[in-house]
Amino acid sequence: TQLLEQSPQFLSIQEGENLTVYCNSSSVFSSLQWYRQEPGEGPVLLVTVVTGGEVKKLKRLTFQFGDARKDSSLHITAAQPGDTGLYLCAGDTNAGKSTFGDGTTLTVKP
Amino acid sequence: EAQVTQNPRYLITVTGKKLTVTCSQNMNHEYMSWYRQDPGLGLRQIYYSMNVEVTDKGDVPEGYKVSRKEKRNFPLILESPSPNQTSLYFCASRTRTEAFFGQGTRLTVV
Repeated sequence: TQLLEQSPQFLSIQEGENLTVYCNSSSVFSSLQWYRQEPGEGPVLLVTVVTGGEVKKLKRLTFQFGDARKDSSLHITAAQPGDTGLYLCAGDTNAGKSTFGDGTTLTVKP
Repeated sequence: EAQVTQNPRYLITVTGKKLTVTCSQNMNHEYMSWYRQDPGLGLRQIYYSMNVEVTDKGDVPEGYKVSRKEKRNFPLILESPSPNQTSLYFCASRTRTEAFFGQGTRLTVV
């Protein structure tokens, strides 16, 4: 079983602050996804990164895939209360197996 | 509209009574997968399928069966459910760069 360690587990910040969530593994992934999940609903895909060193931006969110394709980060600039939610990373192997991190629960206070 | 449909959304059953959770996608995706989500354990992959008639075990396949007779459907079968299979189940359909999850099936086995 490949492990994907996500940190921090919980994060509570004030509106306007910046934050970074990390996803680390000793395994190499063919691709890595970041999701956001609301209570009682399925995860919603934010981004997929496939190339080592790749950086993708989605408005105030910046996603980076490590050069060795073992780790990734999600950086949110000027967080807003609407960013509150559970953020999940997930890594894929070429064989099709998918491993999720345990998630980061983000609370942004107004 | 791209959609993954799971049924039922909620199910309470008794130990040992066979049940099937259906999953259907309308995007012609080759890859489909089942996950269970438990507090403190995150999302764990049960089974996945990379194409019709091709299925493989994920990290927690014990007690579950799947079939992939046609591309759009990927049912999850619990031949003899036990209380430790009480969980929130998600079906997902995806390509390398996009992923869609169903709304979830909350299963309680008493």
